[in-house]
Amino acid sequence: DGGITQSPKYLFRKEGQNVTLSCEQNLNHDAMYWYRQDPGQGLRLIYYSQIVNDFQKGDIAEGYSVSREKKESFPLTVTSAQKNPTAFYLCASSIIWVANQPQHFGDGTRLSIL
Amino acid sequence: DAKTTQPPSMDCAEGRAANLPCNHSTISGNEYVYWYRQIHSQGPQYIIHGLKNNETNEMASLIITEDRKSSTLILPHATLRDTAVYYCIVRDNNNDMRFGAGTRLTVKP
Repeated sequence: DGGITQSPKYLFRKEGQNVTLSCEQNLNHDAMYWYRQDPGQGLRLIYYSQIVNDFQKGDIAEGYSVSREKKESFPLTVTSAQKNPTAFYLCASSIIWVANQPQHFGDGTRLSIL
Repeated sequence: DAKTTQPPSMDCAEGRAANLPCNHSTISGNEYVYWYRQIHSQGPQYIIHGLKNNETNEMASLIITEDRKSSTLILPHATLRDTAVYYCIVRDNNNDMRFGAGTRLTVKP
């Protein structure tokens, strides 16, 4: 089945450690996105990529980094500079980066600090 | 900041239509109205979107007022599995989807 796969489902980070969240899609979508969701709140955009080898900062990019070396993959690294990383992280993709194409989401990775 | 206002919670009886309102009084001409829903601990699920005209698909109907300042998502025959948080979002080509707190819909037997 086509879709977006995020892994792992749960992730634990020690203080001062970088961790990388995986996002893979087999939908042949050009655009990909990373969001963060805190309890009881809506989603906030971290980074987005309109096309391979290109990405842009979203509203809350500080403490995060991404790469887009392949069309189907958009990994997110949560660095030690992110002081409050505990959250639910969601990856999404769309055919292209335009307003009339819906974004489709994976099932998320829940990150916690040990 | 979210550009939409939704009631924080609503209840609906199983088998009845669920009508979820959304105000977007500052919407501009090139902004689309999107609806998503999220069941606890899962990613948001796309439901429907529209620009000016009413839209219908296998999940729901979207009714947009003529002045485009508000819309209603209609689930025609709600089931217990429709219990979720429903997000109304406006989006144009210059920003991304800004999710607010949404409406928590509870479908009751």
